[in-house]
Amino acid sequence: ILNVEQSPQSLHVQEGDSTNFTCSFPSSNFYALHWYRWETAKSPEALFVMTLNGDEKKKGRISATLNTKEGYSYLYIKGSQPEDSATYLCAFLNSGGGADGLTFGKGTHLIIQP
Amino acid sequence: ETGVTQTPRHLVMGMTNKKSLKCEQHLGHNAMYWYKQSAKKPLELMFVYNFKEQTENNSVPSRFSPECPNSSHLFLHLHTLQPEDSALYLCASSQTSGRAKNIQYFGAGTRLSVL
Repeated sequence: ILNVEQSPQSLHVQEGDSTNFTCSFPSSNFYALHWYRWETAKSPEALFVMTLNGDEKKKGRISATLNTKEGYSYLYIKGSQPEDSATYLCAFLNSGGGADGLTFGKGTHLIIQP
Repeated sequence: ETGVTQTPRHLVMGMTNKKSLKCEQHLGHNAMYWYKQSAKKPLELMFVYNFKEQTENNSVPSRFSPECPNSSHLFLHLHTLQPEDSALYLCASSQTSGRAKNIQYFGAGTRLSVL
C-alpha cells in the first residue's frame, strides 16, 4: 500500500504572507509527483508534474521542489492572495507495475485571510 | 471548464436502486479514470481505462460496474449500494496512461448519497 502524506492538514495564512507545505511519498519506485489545486465545488486542476530529483517548477507565485531520494516535495506560495484559498493535493505515481492512476494525499486546506 | 463533464452533479438513491454516473471528455484523450473520495479520506483510484480497455480495477466491489463504450465516454453503473458508498465520485482523463506522466483533467464530480 502506497502512503502519501501531506502536512499540515489545514493552514490559515494572512493575505500577503508567503507559505509552504509538504508532501511525503515513498522514495522507492518513484516515477512522478503531481500537484493539484482544488477549489470548493470545482474540479481539481493540475499545477505541476515533477519527475526528476531536484526539479523546481514555477507558475506565477506558486513553485514546487522535489527530492526523490528522501521522498518529499514542497509547494511554496509567495505573497498569498484570497484566490489562493483551496485544497492543495499531491499525488504519486510509482514505477512498479499495476495502476496507472495516481495515489493521492489527503491534501492541505489553505485559507487566506484578508 | 476542464473539458471533462460529469452528470448528474448530485444523486440520491436507495439501496435497491440502479443508477448510472456519466463522464464525457472533449479533450481527445485516450485514458479515463474513476476516483472516489469518502469523507476525511484521500481520493482513491477505482478504475482505469486506456483506449476503451480496462487496465486497472483497484479491488472495487462488483456493485460498481464501469463501462467505456468509446474513448470519450465513461460510465459507472451502480446497483445495490450501501450507505458507506456515499461519497464524491470523480472522473478524470489524460492523453494516455501506461506509465505516463501526463496531467489528469478532472470533472467536478457527482455527490452520491445512498439512503
